[in-house]
This record gives sequence, structure tokens and C-alpha cells, in this order.
Amino acid sequence: NAGVMQNPRHLVRRRGQEARLRCSPMKGHSHVYWYRQLPEEGLKFMVYLQKENIIDESGMPKERFSAEFPKEGPSILRIQQVVRGDSAAYFCASSRRGSGQETQYFGPGTRLLVL
Amino acid sequence: AQSVTQLGSHVSVSEGALVLLRCNYSSSVPPYLFWYVQYPNQGLQLLLKYTTGATLVKGINGFEAEFKKSETSFHLTKPSAHMSDAAEYFCAVSDGMNYGGSQGNLIFGKGTKLSVKP
Repeated sequence: NAGVMQNPRHLVRRRGQEARLRCSPMKGHSHVYWYRQLPEEGLKFMVYLQKENIIDESGMPKERFSAEFPKEGPSILRIQQVVRGDSAAYFCASSRRGSGQETQYFGPGTRLLVL
Repeated sequence: AQSVTQLGSHVSVSEGALVLLRCNYSSSVPPYLFWYVQYPNQGLQLLLKYTTGATLVKGINGFEAEFKKSETSFHLTKPSAHMSDAAEYFCAVSDGMNYGGSQGNLIFGKGTKLSVKP
């Protein structure tokens, strides 16, 4: 069984460009979470999605960041007009249900470097 | 609001020695608690979790953790460290917010890097 897949694994962008990060959840999982990990920090929650719905985006920066999880295809985290402070590892996790006791399975992450 | 504190950003032990990684939480609702391990340049792997029931939870790779409500702690232990245990360990609590009956996002501590000396 394939785990959570993320691509690309590494992404380099220049300031002002757009970054698109993709996440395919585990088979049978319809709940997706995005987290950001800054150097020497733990993971910070960004957004929680179900198919075609954003459930909680309380951790998303108000500008430049957006996320979607369409009916077909992977979840996308989009960062417009990237700045150096966006350099981080972005992790996607999926779960079978959106319950607090449900295990979230993490992908390998996308490491974004903004030059 | 929930929060997690991990005492000690770096812990070093000798191979064969006891591993103790500390985690304290605050939560306004009964907590669901997790320990994850992260190897360099990889994602997070679940070690163990506490939801309800027995307060001593056993996980993979010989790790276990005990939920102590009176101390608001969920410390991770392993009786005998192995070189392969060298990694970063994260304690997390599940957010108690409800979305139509669902809960979910995790609140992480800052992590503890474990080094194992031969």
C-alpha cells in the first residue's frame, strides 16, 4: 500500500515566483492536513481539508497562501509571490476520519528554498 | 487552547542506556496525545498514541509512554537505547475543536533531538 505521497520533494524558487506543492493521501483517506516546519521548530498546522471543502484554515497566512483538495486529484498547497521567509519543509498528512484520536500519516515533505 | 512543551531540545545517551524524553501538555479538554519520530530529511512516523483507556501505551521499536493526568505529562521512554534510535522526536496533542463532530489538527512541541553514543 502506498503511503502519503508528496511532490516535488525539493523545490527551488526565486522571490516573487509561485510554488505549488502536491499531496496524494493514502488510499481510503479523505482528510488532508498541511503543516509547515521551519528550521529548529516543530510542525505548525496550516490547513485541514476534506474533498472539495476547506474545514479549518486558521493556520494559513492571510495572504499569498491557498489550498484545495478537489474531487479528483491531489491536494494542492499554493504559495504566490514567494519570499525568503517561506523557505521551510511542508508536510502533508492524511487520515481516514477527521477525528482527534485518528492517526495522521505523514508524507516525506516538500522542502522549499526561496532564493 | 492546547499546547505542548518538550523539555530539552537535545538529549544524548549511551547505547544501552535508558531513554527518557519529556513532554508536558496543556489542554482544556481530555487530550489525545501522540509521539512521532522524524529521521533526517524524512516525514514523521507515529511511535504511539494515547486516546482513552490504559495510561501506559506501548509503541513501536520498544518505546512506551505513560499518560499522567495529574502531572499533565506524556513522557516517552525506552529501556535500552540503540544506535538506530538517533532521530528527532515530537510530542503532539490533538486540537479539541469540533467541526461538525470532527476534530483533528495536531499541535506539536518543538522536538527533541536524540543522540546515541556508542
